[in-house]
Amino acid sequence: GESVGLHLPTLSVQEGDNSIINCAYSNSASDYFIWYKQESGKGPQFIIDIRSNMDKRQGQRVTVLLNKTVKHLSLQIAATQPGDSAVYFCAEAYSSASKIIFGSGTRLSIRP
Amino acid sequence: NAGVTQTPKFRVLKTGQSMTLLCAQDMNHEYMYWYRQDPGMGLRLIHYSVGEGTTAKGEVPDGYNVSRLKKQNFLLGLESAAPSQTSVYFCASSYSGFPPVRQYFGPGTRLTVL
Repeated sequence: GESVGLHLPTLSVQEGDNSIINCAYSNSASDYFIWYKQESGKGPQFIIDIRSNMDKRQGQRVTVLLNKTVKHLSLQIAATQPGDSAVYFCAEAYSSASKIIFGSGTRLSIRP
Repeated sequence: NAGVTQTPKFRVLKTGQSMTLLCAQDMNHEYMYWYRQDPGMGLRLIHYSVGEGTTAKGEVPDGYNVSRLKKQNFLLGLESAAPSQTSVYFCASSYSGFPPVRQYFGPGTRLTVL
């Protein structure tokens, strides 16, 4: 069936470098794509979303890029900090839906 | 503002026992959700509710029941627990709107079924 998945289960980045977390999706009919962050022992926290008619959206230190041609979504984190250590989930949704579908997550670890 | 709270935080059950997980939110959200998260996996939707008195099935509803008698509370019940239901359970809530991209999550309940 349709699913949202991730390229890599783990990512290790040097503190201060930029992080890029990737996500592949298969449902071309999805209208929204969303990123969540889950710190150890906590519930997920919304980071940013992007509508399917956009290619790029920026937030505070984060940028989400959407490439509909290859069905690829990425989250870029600028100047990665120790507090960015977490599992990052991508998710997708239809504009008419009352729920979202989560992918399996990428663990981001920061090297000092 | 407490946000989304879950009770209990931890629980150990024996196979066949029953229990109820309570979720409460103080943000006046219309939508509420129950997810389960297994090790190394993402969140899977069990049941959800788009308003007081309404519930709907998610991806993995079997073995669970829910009730939304009050807008601020969403209860998840396990009638006869099985080891396969060992997981971390998260409750979330959101404003109404299509789709509910921004969900607010509780801290989770870690359930072990022996």
